[in-house]
Amino acid sequence: EAGVVQSPRYKIIEKKQPVAFWCNPISGHNTLYWYLQNLGQGPELLIRYENEEAVDDSQLPKDRFSAERLKGVDSTLKIQPAELGDSAVYLCASSLDPGLALFFGPGTRLTVL
Amino acid sequence: GENVEQHPSTLSVQEGDSAVIKCTYSDSASNYFPWYKQELGKRPQLIIDIRSNVGEKKDQRIAVTLNKTAKHFSLHITETQPEDSAVYFCAASGAAGNKLTFGGGTRVLVKP
Repeated sequence: EAGVVQSPRYKIIEKKQPVAFWCNPISGHNTLYWYLQNLGQGPELLIRYENEEAVDDSQLPKDRFSAERLKGVDSTLKIQPAELGDSAVYLCASSLDPGLALFFGPGTRLTVL
Repeated sequence: GENVEQHPSTLSVQEGDSAVIKCTYSDSASNYFPWYKQELGKRPQLIIDIRSNVGEKKDQRIAVTLNKTAKHFSLHITETQPEDSAVYFCAASGAAGNKLTFGGGTRVLVKP
């Protein structure tokens, strides 16, 4: 069974530029999460989807971050414009249902110069 | 919301010894407690989890215990090996829409 797929794996951009991350969850997993992980810290939830619906986006900085999961499968997370403080690893994860085991993708390491 | 605290932040053990990591949580309604292992530059991987209707769960050299009354849970690794060296994260979930909240992590170093 293929795991959660993310691309790109690494991205370097200059501040004020836009950037987008893509995630393909495990087949059949209805719940998709985007987490942010700063160096040496635990993952922090940005947004959670159940199918197409964003059910928890309270931690998403909506002035610059947006996300979508149009067909209830793949998801895209966008930052526009990026700031220096956005440098981190962006992890996508999925689970069969909320409250069940959660599986992470390899992450996208973003560096904002 | 839920708050998860994890101790210690770093742990150095001799190969063959045991390692114990402890976490406390704030929301008494939380009912799912997974543990993740993250090696350098890799994704967090689920190693064991426990639900609030169970007090202890074991899988080979790792075990997790849960004390609902005190709102804390622990990860026990016995007979540690160098490949156990990694950062371990605890997490808690269950209330308020099943949001999984992570602890700050414990960096474990197993010395050969």
